[in-house]
Order: sequence, then C-alpha cells, then structure tokens
Amino acid sequence: AQSVTQPDIHITVSEGASLELRCNYSYGATPYLFWYVQSPGQGLQLLLKYFSGDTLVQGIKGFEAEFKRSQSSFNLRKPSVHWSDAAEYFCAVGPMEYGNKLVFGAGTILRVKS
Amino acid sequence: GAVVSQHPSWVICKSGTSVKIECRSLDFQATTMFWYRQFPKQSLMLMATSNEGSKATYEQGVEKDKFLINHASLTLSTLTVTSAHPEDSSFYICSAREGLVGTEAFFGQGTRLTVV
Repeated sequence: AQSVTQPDIHITVSEGASLELRCNYSYGATPYLFWYVQSPGQGLQLLLKYFSGDTLVQGIKGFEAEFKRSQSSFNLRKPSVHWSDAAEYFCAVGPMEYGNKLVFGAGTILRVKS
Repeated sequence: GAVVSQHPSWVICKSGTSVKIECRSLDFQATTMFWYRQFPKQSLMLMATSNEGSKATYEQGVEKDKFLINHASLTLSTLTVTSAHPEDSSFYICSAREGLVGTEAFFGQGTRLTVV
C-alpha cells in the first residue's frame, strides 16, 4: 500500500537557522514526489516536485529536496528560515500512470521563533 | 502558474440541507479534478477523482450518494454535500490537472464547511 510518513508533527526553528523536514514513503514503483505548503485556512501551494533526473530538486522560496531511493526518502531543506516560512508542510507521493492522485503525509507544522 | 478557484471559501449550513462547492480552473482545461477532505490537524484524504464527462471514481469508504460530484465541463467540477450533518464539517479542497501523466495538479484555496 502507498503511504507517506512525516515523522515530525511539529518543528520549531530560529529565524535564520537551517531547516530539514523529513519524509519517507512506501510505494510499489517509482513515484512522483511533491512538497506542498499550507498556510492557515488556505489551500496548498506546490514548493517543488521530483519526477526523474537530478535527485536534488530546487523549488520556490529557497527550498530544495533530495530524493534518496535507497532510503525511500524525500527530505525538504532550507538553509536559512524566514519568519514567513511558518506554515504546515505536506509531503505527497503519486503514481506515474494517468490519474496521478496523491497520497499525503500527515504534515509537519513549522514554527519560527525570532 | 495555473489558477484553481474554489467557491465559496466558507459556508455554514443547517443540518439536513445540501451544500454545493464549486471548483474552477481559470486559465486551463482540467481533464481531471480531485476532491480532498481535511479534518482539523490531519492530512488531506482523497475523496474522489473526476474526469470530465464521466462518473467520478470514489475512494473506499466515501459515500457516493452523500458526496455528489459533477464534472460537466473542462473548467468546472462541483461537490455537493447532501443532507449535511455536523460530522461533515471539514475543509474541502479540490485540485485540477490539465491532463497527461506527471503534470502538476493545482489546488484551490479550499472551502471550510460548518454544519450546525
């Protein structure tokens, strides 16, 4: 069965510090991988996605993620966090075939302290 | 990026009534639309997948007669919550894809439904 695990429910980092949000997936084939951000009461905004090729992908707002097949992981990173990054982050996995419905992780709430 | 608009952003309705939520792709044709439900402090759960002009495919455990989905055009899908009850209160989010495998699905801003 497909599943996505985000082990950290909450993470608090200081403004300017580096950030890493963990994501592990279970999938029967090569998946598409996504990271989304959701501000309170809002929809989801795509930060970045991995389909194939270079395993280090760059996204918007200075985020990047690295696909590690051997570890079934797709961790999100940012070298220096800004207060505006406080939000909830979701990792998602989807199939390559037509349809592409996504399975989401439980989310990680990021708090940024000044 | 492409824009998906959901309407209304929030709605309060009385128990027993029906509520319709619209999901529109504003600048592209959405071959496929997805409806998700998000409970407080939980992740998004896919409810159904709809392809334009055909019946929606519902996920296991989702009541087809309660959550009516119509995808009559390439730019509009609707979710109707019929005979709503307080346990249907949730955040409903749609996403829309233009078509082929691997293309990005864009999300609407969500609809907060409260049934009183």
